[in-house]
Amino acid sequence: NAGVTQTPKFRILKIGQSMTLQCTQDMNHNYMYWYRQDPGMGLKLIYYSVGAGITDKGEVPNGYNVSRSTTEDFPLRLELAAPSQTSVYFCASWGENSYNEQFFGPGTRLTVL
Amino acid sequence: AQTVTQSQPEMSVQEAETVTLSCTYDTSESNYYLFWYKQPPSRQMILVIRQEAYKQQNATENRFSVNFQKAAKSFSLKISDSQLGDTAMYFCAFKDYGGSQGNLIFGKGTKLSVKP
Repeated sequence: NAGVTQTPKFRILKIGQSMTLQCTQDMNHNYMYWYRQDPGMGLKLIYYSVGAGITDKGEVPNGYNVSRSTTEDFPLRLELAAPSQTSVYFCASWGENSYNEQFFGPGTRLTVL
Repeated sequence: AQTVTQSQPEMSVQEAETVTLSCTYDTSESNYYLFWYKQPPSRQMILVIRQEAYKQQNATENRFSVNFQKAAKSFSLKISDSQLGDTAMYFCAFKDYGGSQGNLIFGKGTKLSVKP
Protein backbone atom coordinates (compact mmCIF):
# COMPACT_ATOMS: atom_id res chain seq x y z
CA ASN A 1 0.00 0.00 0.00
CA ALA A 2 1.22 3.47 -0.89
CA GLY A 3 -1.11 4.97 1.74
CA VAL A 4 -1.99 8.62 1.09
CA THR A 5 -0.09 10.34 -1.70
CA GLN A 6 -0.10 14.03 -2.52
CA THR A 7 1.26 15.99 -5.45
CA PRO A 8 3.02 18.33 -5.82
CA LYS A 9 5.34 18.52 -2.79
CA PHE A 10 6.14 22.17 -3.37
CA ARG A 11 4.60 24.92 -5.47
CA ILE A 12 4.96 28.66 -5.88
CA LEU A 13 1.98 30.54 -7.29
CA LYS A 14 1.47 34.12 -8.28
CA ILE A 15 -1.49 36.04 -6.90
CA GLY A 16 -4.59 35.26 -8.93
CA GLN A 17 -3.35 31.96 -10.36
CA SER A 18 -5.22 28.72 -9.83
CA MET A 19 -4.07 25.19 -9.15
CA THR A 20 -5.22 21.77 -8.03
CA LEU A 21 -3.60 19.79 -5.25
CA GLN A 22 -3.96 16.09 -5.88
CA CYS A 23 -4.64 13.49 -3.19
CA THR A 24 -5.03 9.73 -3.64
CA GLN A 25 -5.41 6.93 -1.11
CA ASP A 26 -5.34 3.20 -1.78
CA MET A 27 -6.80 1.96 1.52
CA ASN A 28 -10.44 2.06 0.45
CA HIS A 29 -11.21 4.68 3.09
CA ASN A 30 -14.53 6.45 2.88
CA TYR A 31 -13.47 9.53 4.84
CA MET A 32 -11.02 12.01 3.37
CA TYR A 33 -9.90 15.44 4.55
CA TRP A 34 -7.94 18.50 3.56
CA TYR A 35 -6.18 20.41 6.33
CA ARG A 36 -3.94 23.44 6.21
CA GLN A 37 -1.12 24.12 8.63
CA ASP A 38 0.03 27.68 9.14
CA PRO A 39 3.30 28.47 10.97
CA GLY A 40 3.01 27.95 14.71
CA MET A 41 -0.48 26.56 14.40
CA GLY A 42 -2.12 23.18 14.39
CA LEU A 43 -3.95 21.80 11.41
CA LYS A 44 -7.28 23.30 10.44
CA LEU A 45 -9.95 21.53 8.42
CA ILE A 46 -10.69 22.99 4.97
CA TYR A 47 -13.05 20.42 3.44
CA TYR A 48 -13.98 16.83 4.05
CA SER A 49 -15.75 13.97 2.32
CA VAL A 50 -17.57 10.98 3.80
CA GLY A 51 -17.73 9.09 0.52
CA ALA A 52 -17.72 9.41 -3.24
CA GLY A 53 -20.00 12.24 -4.33
CA ILE A 54 -20.34 13.72 -0.82
CA THR A 55 -18.32 16.71 0.32
CA ASP A 56 -18.78 19.44 2.89
CA LYS A 57 -17.05 22.51 4.27
CA GLY A 58 -14.80 22.49 7.27
CA GLU A 59 -13.57 25.37 9.41
CA VAL A 60 -11.69 27.37 6.75
CA PRO A 61 -13.23 26.67 3.29
CA ASN A 62 -13.08 30.12 1.71
CA GLY A 63 -11.03 30.23 -1.48
CA TYR A 64 -11.09 26.46 -2.01
CA ASN A 65 -13.20 23.84 -3.72
CA VAL A 66 -13.19 20.05 -3.72
CA SER A 67 -14.72 17.14 -5.55
CA ARG A 68 -14.91 13.42 -4.84
CA SER A 69 -15.79 11.43 -7.92
CA THR A 70 -14.08 8.23 -6.74
CA THR A 71 -13.28 6.66 -3.37
CA GLU A 72 -9.55 7.05 -4.04
CA ASP A 73 -9.22 10.67 -5.16
CA PHE A 74 -9.97 13.93 -3.38
CA PRO A 75 -8.47 16.93 -5.21
CA LEU A 76 -8.39 20.42 -3.70
CA ARG A 77 -8.81 23.35 -6.05
CA LEU A 78 -7.48 26.83 -5.30
CA GLU A 79 -9.07 29.56 -7.37
CA LEU A 80 -7.55 33.04 -7.52
CA ALA A 81 -4.66 32.35 -5.17
CA ALA A 82 -4.02 34.89 -2.42
CA PRO A 83 -1.02 35.36 -0.07
CA SER A 84 -3.25 34.23 2.82
CA GLN A 85 -3.30 30.77 1.21
CA THR A 86 0.44 30.35 1.74
CA SER A 87 0.53 27.27 3.94
CA VAL A 88 1.29 23.57 4.12
CA TYR A 89 -1.61 21.42 2.96
CA PHE A 90 -2.25 17.92 4.21
CA CYS A 91 -4.61 15.34 2.84
CA ALA A 92 -5.75 12.60 5.22
CA SER A 93 -8.05 9.61 5.23
CA TRP A 94 -9.55 7.06 7.56
CA GLY A 95 -11.96 4.19 7.34
CA GLU A 96 -13.79 1.78 9.58
CA ASN A 97 -10.89 -0.62 9.13
CA SER A 98 -8.27 1.83 10.42
CA TYR A 99 -9.13 1.79 14.14
CA ASN A 100 -9.78 5.55 14.09
CA GLU A 101 -6.27 6.36 12.91
CA GLN A 102 -6.12 9.09 10.31
CA PHE A 103 -3.43 8.53 7.72
CA PHE A 104 -1.74 11.62 6.35
CA GLY A 105 -0.08 12.40 3.07
CA PRO A 106 3.38 14.01 3.05
CA GLY A 107 2.01 17.52 2.61
CA THR A 108 2.28 20.23 -0.04
CA ARG A 109 4.11 23.45 0.75
CA LEU A 110 2.40 26.24 -1.18
CA THR A 111 3.71 29.79 -1.43
CA VAL A 112 1.66 32.55 -3.03
CA LEU A 113 3.64 35.62 -4.04
CA ALA B 1 -17.34 23.28 19.82
CA GLN B 2 -14.39 21.24 20.93
CA THR B 3 -11.04 22.88 21.54
CA VAL B 4 -7.58 21.50 22.23
CA THR B 5 -4.93 23.49 24.10
CA GLN B 6 -1.22 22.81 24.30
CA SER B 7 0.29 25.32 26.69
CA GLN B 8 3.96 24.55 26.03
CA PRO B 9 5.11 26.00 22.69
CA GLU B 10 8.62 24.61 23.12
CA MET B 11 10.37 22.13 25.37
CA SER B 12 13.79 20.56 25.53
CA VAL B 13 15.13 17.44 27.20
CA GLN B 14 18.46 15.72 27.50
CA GLU B 15 18.93 12.45 25.70
CA ALA B 16 17.87 9.44 27.83
CA GLU B 17 15.77 11.57 30.18
CA THR B 18 11.99 11.73 30.52
CA VAL B 19 9.76 14.56 29.35
CA THR B 20 6.03 15.20 29.64
CA LEU B 21 4.01 17.23 27.14
CA SER B 22 0.72 18.73 28.30
CA CYS B 23 -2.64 18.85 26.57
CA THR B 24 -6.06 19.93 27.76
CA TYR B 25 -9.28 19.85 25.82
CA ASP B 26 -12.82 21.02 26.11
CA THR B 27 -15.86 19.02 25.07
CA SER B 28 -19.35 18.26 26.23
CA GLU B 29 -19.20 14.76 24.74
CA SER B 30 -18.62 11.69 26.88
CA ASN B 31 -17.29 9.42 24.16
CA TYR B 32 -14.32 10.50 22.07
CA TYR B 33 -10.78 9.67 21.07
CA LEU B 34 -7.55 11.46 21.84
CA PHE B 35 -4.32 11.22 19.89
CA TRP B 36 -0.74 12.39 19.92
CA TYR B 37 0.83 12.92 16.51
CA LYS B 38 4.51 13.53 15.85
CA GLN B 39 5.69 15.78 13.01
CA PRO B 40 9.44 15.56 12.40
CA PRO B 41 11.24 18.01 10.11
CA SER B 42 10.18 15.85 7.17
CA ARG B 43 6.63 17.19 7.78
CA GLN B 44 5.07 13.73 7.80
CA MET B 45 2.33 13.33 10.44
CA ILE B 46 2.94 10.14 12.42
CA LEU B 47 0.54 8.69 14.98
CA VAL B 48 2.32 8.16 18.30
CA ILE B 49 -0.45 6.96 20.56
CA ARG B 50 -4.24 6.96 20.88
CA GLN B 51 -6.67 6.77 23.80
CA GLU B 52 -10.36 5.92 23.85
CA ALA B 53 -12.22 8.01 26.40
CA TYR B 54 -14.28 5.05 27.62
CA LYS B 55 -11.11 3.19 28.64
CA GLN B 56 -9.82 4.04 32.08
CA GLN B 57 -6.46 2.41 31.48
CA ASN B 58 -3.81 4.75 30.13
CA ALA B 59 -2.44 3.82 26.71
CA THR B 60 1.22 2.90 26.29
CA GLU B 61 3.36 2.33 23.20
CA ASN B 62 6.92 1.35 24.04
CA ARG B 63 8.61 4.52 25.40
CA PHE B 64 5.44 6.60 25.00
CA SER B 65 2.64 6.67 27.53
CA VAL B 66 -0.23 8.97 28.36
CA ASN B 67 -1.82 10.24 31.53
CA PHE B 68 -5.51 10.54 30.70
CA GLN B 69 -7.57 12.40 33.28
CA LYS B 70 -11.12 12.47 31.92
CA ALA B 71 -12.68 14.56 34.66
CA ALA B 72 -9.94 17.16 34.34
CA LYS B 73 -9.99 16.90 30.51
CA SER B 74 -6.26 16.42 30.48
CA PHE B 75 -4.20 14.19 28.20
CA SER B 76 -0.44 14.42 28.70
CA LEU B 77 2.23 12.50 26.81
CA LYS B 78 5.26 11.07 28.59
CA ILE B 79 8.33 10.15 26.60
CA SER B 80 10.80 7.98 28.48
CA ASP B 81 14.45 7.44 27.56
CA SER B 82 14.29 10.31 25.07
CA GLN B 83 16.17 9.80 21.83
CA LEU B 84 17.53 12.28 19.29
CA GLY B 85 14.96 10.97 16.81
CA ASP B 86 12.17 12.17 19.10
CA THR B 87 13.00 15.77 18.12
CA ALA B 88 9.81 16.97 16.41
CA MET B 89 6.59 18.91 16.75
CA TYR B 90 4.01 17.04 18.79
CA PHE B 91 0.31 17.64 18.28
CA CYS B 92 -2.50 16.63 20.56
CA ALA B 93 -5.75 15.91 18.71
CA PHE B 94 -9.39 15.18 19.56
CA LYS B 95 -11.94 13.18 17.62
CA ASP B 96 -15.61 13.00 18.47
CA TYR B 97 -16.83 9.41 18.75
CA GLY B 98 -20.16 9.87 17.04
CA GLY B 99 -19.53 12.89 14.85
CA SER B 100 -20.48 12.59 11.20
CA GLN B 101 -17.39 14.42 10.03
CA GLY B 102 -14.79 12.25 11.75
CA ASN B 103 -12.17 14.96 11.52
CA LEU B 104 -9.44 15.67 14.06
CA ILE B 105 -9.25 18.89 16.07
CA PHE B 106 -5.64 19.82 16.75
CA GLY B 107 -3.80 21.84 19.33
CA LYS B 108 -1.13 24.29 18.21
CA GLY B 109 1.67 21.87 18.97
CA THR B 110 4.74 21.62 21.16
CA LYS B 111 8.19 21.74 19.63
CA LEU B 112 10.37 19.19 21.40
CA SER B 113 14.15 19.28 21.12
CA VAL B 114 16.19 16.36 22.41
CA LYS B 115 19.75 17.41 23.21
CA PRO B 116 22.74 15.06 23.17
